[in-house]
Parts: sequence; C-alpha cells; structure tokens
Amino acid sequence: EVQLVESGGGLIQPGGSLRLSCAASEIIVTSNYMTWVRQAPGKGLEWVSLIYSGGSTFYADSVKGRFTISRDSSKNTLFLQMNSLRAEDTAVYYCARVLPLWGDYMDVWGKGTTVTVSS
Amino acid sequence: DIQMTQSPSSLSASVGDRVTITCRASQTISTYLNWYQHKTGKAPKLLIFGASSLQSGVPSRFSGSGSGTDFNLTISGLQPDDFATYYCQQSYSTPPATFGQGTKLEIK
Repeated sequence: EVQLVESGGGLIQPGGSLRLSCAASEIIVTSNYMTWVRQAPGKGLEWVSLIYSGGSTFYADSVKGRFTISRDSSKNTLFLQMNSLRAEDTAVYYCARVLPLWGDYMDVWGKGTTVTVSS
Repeated sequence: DIQMTQSPSSLSASVGDRVTITCRASQTISTYLNWYQHKTGKAPKLLIFGASSLQSGVPSRFSGSGSGTDFNLTISGLQPDDFATYYCQQSYSTPPATFGQGTKLEIK
C-alpha cells in the first residue's frame, strides 16, 4: 500500500529543536519530489518545505534558516529538522509526495504529527 | 507569491444538495489549480488536479472548472462523507505552493 507515516512530533520549549520523520512505503523518497505542509490550530494549510528528486531544497520564508529538509535513501525516509522553534511553529505537520504534472500536485499525504511549542 | 482566496469560508448544506466553492487567484494561473479535502485528524486528500481532472478513486459527484483566475469546485448530491474542509492550491508558480484559506462544509 502506498503510504506515508510521520513521527517525531511532541511538546518542545521555545528555542528548542525537533526532527520529524516521514517513512514511506511503496514510494521511493529519493526518486520523488517530497514536501512538508503544516496546519496551525484553527488555521489552514501552509506549505513549509520541498525537496526535489535531484536534491534541491526550498523553504517558506517563515522557516528559512531554521528548518532543514533532508532524506535518507537507506531508510526511505524524509526528514524535517526544526531548530529555534517558536510558538507560531505549533501545528500538525504533514509530509506529502508531489507529482510534477499539470504544474504539480500532492497526491499522497500522511496523517500528520503534532508539534507543540510552549514553555 | 500568488495569493489564493476562497469563498465562502463556511457553508451549511444538506445531504443531497449541490454546492459550489469558489477560488480566486491573485494573478492568472491558467489551469494550474488543485483541490483537496481535509478532515480533522486525517490525511488531506487530493480531489482535483489541473482545475478539472478528477483524481483516481474520487467519486464523480466532485467536479472542477475554471481557468485564469477564477475556479469552482462543485459537489453534486452531497453525501455524509463529504462534510469536511476544502482547499484550493495553485501550482502555476511553485515553490511556494499556496493554498486558499479553506472552506468548511457543514451539515445543515
């Protein structure tokens, strides 16, 4: 079954760090465009970061310089390293595959992992 | 960045109704427009890509239309499973992928 499963969320103090993981089944992470999207409480979906199959990376202005997207081919897993966390980073974080067709679209999503930044 | 604006922000309807959600882009995006359905605690689900192409496995009661700056998502014959929040997303100029603010569809 094609599946993405996020993990690594939790409660973290402001200024702290957290690494999210997205384990893929029947999707080869390194052969696909992969992205992170988040949803803050009471808010809509917000794009966070993208990695191309070739390795180029992109970030929303709100996380640039603090978050790093990466992947591990041996584990077939996507990561999001989050540093210098702020209260406004509190959200459910979703990983998704991006198909570069018709522009591009996110066709497979995980169920998300919750990050709470609070003292 | 391209801004996406959805209307209405919320909508009440009954099972069997036909509903339309509108999405407007801040500049022309041709037909590079996707629609997603999201239920709390679940993975978002792709419904429509390329403004009007139905994703595999999505019921035919969902349809999309539009081009340029104005787009619609129509659900014909609402089912109980359709009550959720719907998002449009432009893919004309990415990254960043930009989403509309969402339309919450509730049972009347």
